[in-house]
Amino acid sequence: GAVVSQHPSWVICKSGTSVKIECRSLDFQATTMFWYRQFPKQSLMLMATSNEGSKATYEQGVEKDKFLINHASLTLSTLTVTSAHPEDSSFYICSARGGRLANYGYTFGSGTRLTVV
Amino acid sequence: GENVEQHPSTLSVQEGDSAVIKCTYSDSASNYFPWYKQELGKGPQLIIDIRSNVGEKKDQRIAVTLNKTAKHFSLHITETQPEDSAVYFCAASASNSGYALNFGKGTSLLVTP
Repeated sequence: GAVVSQHPSWVICKSGTSVKIECRSLDFQATTMFWYRQFPKQSLMLMATSNEGSKATYEQGVEKDKFLINHASLTLSTLTVTSAHPEDSSFYICSARGGRLANYGYTFGSGTRLTVV
Repeated sequence: GENVEQHPSTLSVQEGDSAVIKCTYSDSASNYFPWYKQELGKGPQLIIDIRSNVGEKKDQRIAVTLNKTAKHFSLHITETQPEDSAVYFCAASASNSGYALNFGKGTSLLVTP
């Protein structure tokens, strides 16, 4: 089946530093990657949508200069949280769509727990 | 944009009973409706999905129904087991929104032995 590998699974960083989260589609080509943020006991909120080779489309209220998304290849997308602050602490999850799954299918990564201290 | 409402927010049932979770959506262009199970600290796992051209789908103890006219869809779990305890999310997507999934707020299901 389709697998999306997300790393790291958790990270603790100091306020003001940057953190990169990677998502790789292991056995299919992810033409579209979605990035979500989930606060404790809340739902998944879409942050941005990226298509391979194109600039990401950000949802209203999401700072594109703070959350840098790169989708340079069909198997890798990265989310970089720049100048992280404690309020950026959250659970970040990627989701990929593509290949034979392009017809409605989505595969989620296992998530990254970011804690900014 | 799409707005997905999910009820109830919490649900407690006894082992062996059935559980029903309901969702409504606002965008008539939505055509794909998946249900996800999320355990603590993990990403969501697809448990069942339904497309707009189908009214009902069943997979063993799990079933989903869709009423396009009323814009609502429901998850039915029969013969619940303690390991069914988790948070369940419904979602909807449409091509006119780039196929992004819009999620409901989730239902915390507790199955007591």
